[in-house]
Parts: sequence; C-alpha cells; structure tokens
Amino acid sequence: GESVGLHLPTLSVQEGDNSIINCAYSNSASDYFIWYKQESGKGPQFIIDIRSNMDKRQGQRVTVLLNKTVKHLSLQIAATQPGDSAVYFCAEGSWGKLQFGAGTQVVVTP
Amino acid sequence: KAGVTQTPRYLIKTRGQQVTLSCSPISGHRSVSWYQQTPGQGLQFLFEYFSETQRNKGNFPGRFSGRQFSNSRSEMNVSTLELGDSALYLCASSLGLLGSNQPQHFGDGTRLSIL
Repeated sequence: GESVGLHLPTLSVQEGDNSIINCAYSNSASDYFIWYKQESGKGPQFIIDIRSNMDKRQGQRVTVLLNKTVKHLSLQIAATQPGDSAVYFCAEGSWGKLQFGAGTQVVVTP
Repeated sequence: KAGVTQTPRYLIKTRGQQVTLSCSPISGHRSVSWYQQTPGQGLQFLFEYFSETQRNKGNFPGRFSGRQFSNSRSEMNVSTLELGDSALYLCASSLGLLGSNQPQHFGDGTRLSIL
C-alpha cells in the first residue's frame, strides 16, 4: 500500500537571505543539542552543537540559539547559498539518549 | 581523516531472509550507534555499542541485533526480514557515549529494500 510519510515543514529562502530554522524539544532534562544537515542520498552531516549551559554559539555562517525556558532551539544560516538546500534536523541529548526531530526542508531559490 | 564507512550502500532482500550490515567508524571513535530512517518514522535509534558492549538500546524487536569488534567496527543484523524493515540504516560514530556531549558523525547509510 501507499506509505504515509512525515510531513516535513518547508522553508523557502531566497539566495543571499538569512535562514532561521526552528525546533521545539521535548525533554527539559536534555543538556546537549545538535543540528544536522542531510542532503539527498547522504547521511546527516554535523553542523554545530550547543550545551545547556550556553544560550548561543556561532560557527562559520551558522549560529545556534537555545532558549531553555520555552524549550526552543534555532539555527540561523547567514547569506544562504544553493548548497544549503537540504533537510535540517535538530537533536536533543541526555545521558544514553539522542532524539531527533522530524526535520525541516530548506529550499534555496535563486 | 576518513569518515564513517558503511557497506553495502544498497541491498535487496526478500521477506524471511536475514541481512548483515557493516560499519567502520572514524579512527579513534569507540562509540558506534545504529539508526533506522524511514519517511514515516524519521530517524529512530536502534542501539549503541562502546568497547564491544551494547550500552543503550531503542525500542526495536529482538530481530534487530548488533555487535562491535575490538577495532570498533560494528555490524548490525536483522533476521526474518519484514516488508516494514525497508529503510535507510545509518551508522554513527563518536568519541564518547551518547550523552557525553560529543557529536555523532554519520555514514551515508545502507539502503535496504525488502521485496
């Protein structure tokens, strides 16, 4: 029969603009958070991580923000490029566990 | 430094058969985790091995098993295959155990199709 897939939210971004991808996590005990990028036909690629004792961390063209009060994580990508088109996953971790979100499809338009 | 290597990349099996998938972690990484990725369920954790011992386990039936060798390479076995086992199986390696604040690095997966 026909398989029913997860409905991934889609973020359409114009090339050169900044992207913001949001993630709500569920476990208040989670103390480690990671963002991954997955391109078609490939495995998830590590982008950036943040520990619960921080609220912001910056990498190359990316910034992760953590708001523990509302259990919210975001990934900001500066000057989005066509190569940024992919599915982005957030993951929340605590001892012995790493749980992934459903993902957000980012589409970069020219 | 070579990344996580998974073999084979693609596999076709029929119901009732069994399958073994292989994963070579990044050199120096002692933790190897396995995940199942499907359009319907997303990324689901199967189990984690560290120093040849299973340390954490997800909610999968006993048909799914694994092992890790002294060189940290890992294999995953699925017995009595069902149609619903069709998925992308991903392996990830890390310096530390899940929850040790060390990122996991993924391979490109084995695409398993059950006919």
